[in-house]
Amino acid sequence: AQKVTQAQTEISVVEKEDVTLDCVYETRDTTYYLFWYKQPPSGELVFLIRRNSFDEQNEISGRYSWNFQKSTSSFNFTITASQVVDSAVYFCALSEGRGDMRFGAGTRLTVKP
Amino acid sequence: DGGITQSPKYLFRKEGQNVTLSCEQNLNHDAMYWYRQDPGQGLRLIYYSQIVNDFQKGDIAEGYSVSREKKESFPLTVTSAQKNPTAFYLCASSDTNTGELFFGEGSRLTVL
Repeated sequence: AQKVTQAQTEISVVEKEDVTLDCVYETRDTTYYLFWYKQPPSGELVFLIRRNSFDEQNEISGRYSWNFQKSTSSFNFTITASQVVDSAVYFCALSEGRGDMRFGAGTRLTVKP
Repeated sequence: DGGITQSPKYLFRKEGQNVTLSCEQNLNHDAMYWYRQDPGQGLRLIYYSQIVNDFQKGDIAEGYSVSREKKESFPLTVTSAQKNPTAFYLCASSDTNTGELFFGEGSRLTVL
């Protein structure tokens, strides 16, 4: 079965610092999908990005960027110039396309002013 | 507005009582999911359904039951057999093409 590990339980940074959230996954499938979600204090999960296993191109969206490396089974997420509004719990998730998405334990990011 | 509606948002129940959490979606998604969230443990999959009248157990299905009689609805019953039912429950549905999950706002169940 697939597995997602987010080793960083909590990270605290000061505003404007860059921060990278790590995600390591395990799967036996060659076709799979990786996701990042944000959970603000309100509780509802917000989709950030989806990547399929055949697309290793890194992606940048504003201050957010993602580094997908199949060789190390990692899908890390970097926030550049962090802001207080980035404070949330971030989840990495993996789906093998059979309808059963598994999530990591999450990383709680606190950005202090 | 399209989305996932979970109700109730907060629920208190006594030990030994069954509880049903509602989840409705109007996104026309085939697949629906129930996750449980406990502090420090992320989201754990309880049940999922890829099509009406069919559902599969996730990682922690014991003590829970579901039904999928309509595409729009996927209610979760927390039975008295669930030993630690106090948790935050999240329902989701997914777009078959992208696999992206859309989540409801969650239901927080407290068993007294």
